[in-house]
Amino acid sequence: EVQLVESGGGLVQPGGSLRLSCAASGFTFSSYWMSWVRQAPGKGLEWVANIKQDGSEKYYVDSVKGRFTISRDNAKNSLYLQMNSLRAEDTAVYYCARGVVSGSYCFDYWGQGTLVTVSS
Amino acid sequence: SYELTQPPSVSVSPGQTARITCSGDALPKQYAYWYQQKPGQAPVLVIYKDSERPSGIPERFSGSSSGTTVTLTISGVQAEDEADYYCQSADSSGTYRAVFGGGTKLTVL
Repeated sequence: EVQLVESGGGLVQPGGSLRLSCAASGFTFSSYWMSWVRQAPGKGLEWVANIKQDGSEKYYVDSVKGRFTISRDNAKNSLYLQMNSLRAEDTAVYYCARGVVSGSYCFDYWGQGTLVTVSS
Repeated sequence: SYELTQPPSVSVSPGQTARITCSGDALPKQYAYWYQQKPGQAPVLVIYKDSERPSGIPERFSGSSSGTTVTLTISGVQAEDEADYYCQSADSSGTYRAVFGGGTKLTVL
């Protein structure tokens, strides 16, 4: 059974940093693109970042470029999101999602999410 | 970047057919995907590549595409189908940058 479990969310002040983790199990982690998707309270879904199977390619939504870094450790079956210079508008539930290249790209499994709140 | 546009809300009675549209200029060139999200839960993929249904998704869920519009159809709507539905597409050039529609709240009357 595919499982994705996020951790690391919490309350952080504007300008602060946070590192999210996602523990994957039930599939060959190193064979899949992985992604982070976020959802602000009461709002829709927003794609944040993608990382290729071997970590050699990474892509970000414009609003987080230069502030967020996606990474992975295939030996530990783990995905990470380092978030720096956090802003109030980064407040959201952050989901870890498995990416599937099927015609284009979609997310076939999602974690339950971890809440990040940026507030003073 | 590009946008995907969905109606904010759709309402149907149980047993009727619900149709949720998603429009975007890139859709003739890129596949669309649909997700169902119930309150407090993670999204679930219900349609991929415009019209394919993942295993475990009921047959009443179907998808279609015509020009710049894709449509999620739920036939014989049940109370349990009340949820938010999001369309999604992605850059197919290799970066796989994804875009989501704003979401549609399906209300079962």
